[in-house]
Order: sequence, then structure tokens, then C-alpha cells
Amino acid sequence: EAEVAQSPRYKITEKSQAVAFWCDPISGHATLYWYRQILGQGPELLVQFQDESVVDDSQLPKDRFSAERLKGVDSTLKIQPAELGDSAMYLCASSGTGRSSYNSPLHFGNGTRLTVT
Amino acid sequence: AQKITQTQPGMFVQEKEAVTLDCTYDTSDQSYGLFWYKQPSSGEMIFLIYQGSYDEQNATEGRYSLNFQKARKSANLVISASQLGDSAMYFCAMREPYSSASKIIFGSGTRLSIRP
Repeated sequence: EAEVAQSPRYKITEKSQAVAFWCDPISGHATLYWYRQILGQGPELLVQFQDESVVDDSQLPKDRFSAERLKGVDSTLKIQPAELGDSAMYLCASSGTGRSSYNSPLHFGNGTRLTVT
Repeated sequence: AQKITQTQPGMFVQEKEAVTLDCTYDTSDQSYGLFWYKQPSSGEMIFLIYQGSYDEQNATEGRYSLNFQKARKSANLVISASQLGDSAMYFCAMREPYSSASKIIFGSGTRLSIRP
């Protein structure tokens, strides 16, 4: 079964440095999500794309976080500068679009575990 | 705003017993979808079961069933005959009504530990 690809799997960075995460969704999935999951908590939606357009970024700290999905396929999430509180798992997920996909689950990648020192 | 509440931070259950994980939600919408995911210590999110708000029957998938009580706004996950491999975090999630931008929000999770 096709999977959502994420890289890197682990990332350690010093505070004030820049860091970037990459996600390649399942082929044909128009909707792409970035979630942040702090240890012991549930995933929190950071940004949601429909094709190349951002449809929700209300919880994205825009002073330091940015996300793009230029060609409507793969996506990059960037943090600059990283802060200690950004240490978390960053999960990418994708889903089909349209009413027929409404009851379909999100397909998640394995995530990027970020540690900021 | 929509909200998912999971009031059990952690649970311990004896192997082979049934277990119910609680989930309540808050929404003013009539149309929505409810999901349960399992997250083992390895970190991947595994989809377990789905219930649509208009589905009349409770969803079942193998050992998993969803006890859906719409009037009480609850969607509890029932795992029958628990196994050691069921030890994991479990998340309840809700999807907003259909649109091109419908979001999926998650609860805080319940850590389930199965005792041999």
C-alpha cells in the first residue's frame, strides 16, 4: 500500500537555527496536513493544504513557521528560528478530496521527531 | 468551535478483558465524522474505525466497535478480548462537515496498557 513519506525521521538542532521537514503524500491525494504532536498529547493541526493552496493555517505560528506546497504534490514545513518549545513530533498526513473521500481516514507518515537544544 | 475530550489519561486492563475508551465531542453541526486512531510507541498513527454522524448502526471492525450515542455526543471505542499488542495511545478525532477545507481535530489521547 502506498505510504506518506516524510524526512528526516529525526532532527536535532540548536535553538535559533533553521530547520525544514519534507513530506510526499500518497499519489493523488489533494489534501495535505501538517500536525504537531507534543509528547503525551494529541496531534494539533498546524496547516492544511488543498492542492497548492492553504485552506487553514490558523494555528501556525507565522512569525517563525512557514509551509509550502508549490506544485500541489510534496510539501515543506520550515521553522526559523527554532525554539526549545518546538521540540515535538511533526506529522504529515494526506487524504483524498471530494465527498466520496469524506469518510476516508487520514494516511499518516512516520513523522519527524524534532529536538531543539 | 469543535472540541474532542478524552477524560482517561491512562488505563490498565488485564489481557483478554474488554475495554472501553471514552470520547465526548462538542459541535453544533449535524454532519460530522468520528475516527479512532492507535499510536504504538513506534509513533505511527494507525486508523481503527470510523463513524458518520448519520450512520444508524454502530461501526464495527474486527475486535473494535464504536459505541455511538449521538444525543450524548459520545463515541466510545470498545476493544473486545484485549491483547498485549493493544498497548498504545488511542486518539479520538472528529471531522468537520464536508467542505474542501474540513478539518480533523484530535483529542488528547488515552494511554492503554494491557497486563499479561
